[in-house]
Amino acid sequence: NAGVTQTPKFQVLKTGQSMTLQCAQDMNHNSMYWYRQDPGMGLRLIYYSASEGTTDKGEVPNGYNVSRLNKREFSLRLESAAPSQTSVYFCASKGQGATNEKLFFGSGTQLSVL
Amino acid sequence: GNSVTQMEGPVTLSEEAFLTINCTYTATGYPSLFWYVQYPGEGLQLLLKATKADDKGSNKGFEATYRKETTSFHLEKGSVQVSDSAVYFCALTSTDSWGKLQFGAGTQVVVTP
Repeated sequence: NAGVTQTPKFQVLKTGQSMTLQCAQDMNHNSMYWYRQDPGMGLRLIYYSASEGTTDKGEVPNGYNVSRLNKREFSLRLESAAPSQTSVYFCASKGQGATNEKLFFGSGTQLSVL
Repeated sequence: GNSVTQMEGPVTLSEEAFLTINCTYTATGYPSLFWYVQYPGEGLQLLLKATKADDKGSNKGFEATYRKETTSFHLEKGSVQVSDSAVYFCALTSTDSWGKLQFGAGTQVVVTP
């Protein structure tokens, strides 16, 4: 019962490098989300996908792109990493329906940009 | 827009002490309110929720009551354990935000033996 799986768990990048964070869920959820977590700021939504084939910007989308590859997978790409993107990144998913508001989170990716 | 304000931490308590974490919110529409918990090295987990005014959410000895008149959703536990050490996040989603959660900044709780 894997739930939401994120890879990698840790990553160090140099400024200007690119990378993709992978996320997959096995709960047949329609909605998937990418958040970043910074000290004193809680979790902020980067991008989300309401369903397969759709993506929308969240609160802090600049510097990121996403792909909803299929229903299971939702990746986050940093094209040219900046030190301001040093953060912990969480992927989450949610089942369908207005009353089904529980998010399931992955264990996070700790990213450092030097 | 929607926002959530939590008391700052860290909150340090002795085992068996009473815990309160304050949370207030502003929201358009009809918000549902949540408490999520993050244990060290893990992702967030839903702790409890309340979907309408005066509802009380409860789980694992924690409780929170949705107070519309004071726009609050304070988390309480009568007797904490060392295993309750974690970061607690208050969050809301409203009918006009399409299920997107708005999180507070989080409150770290440290329980000592």
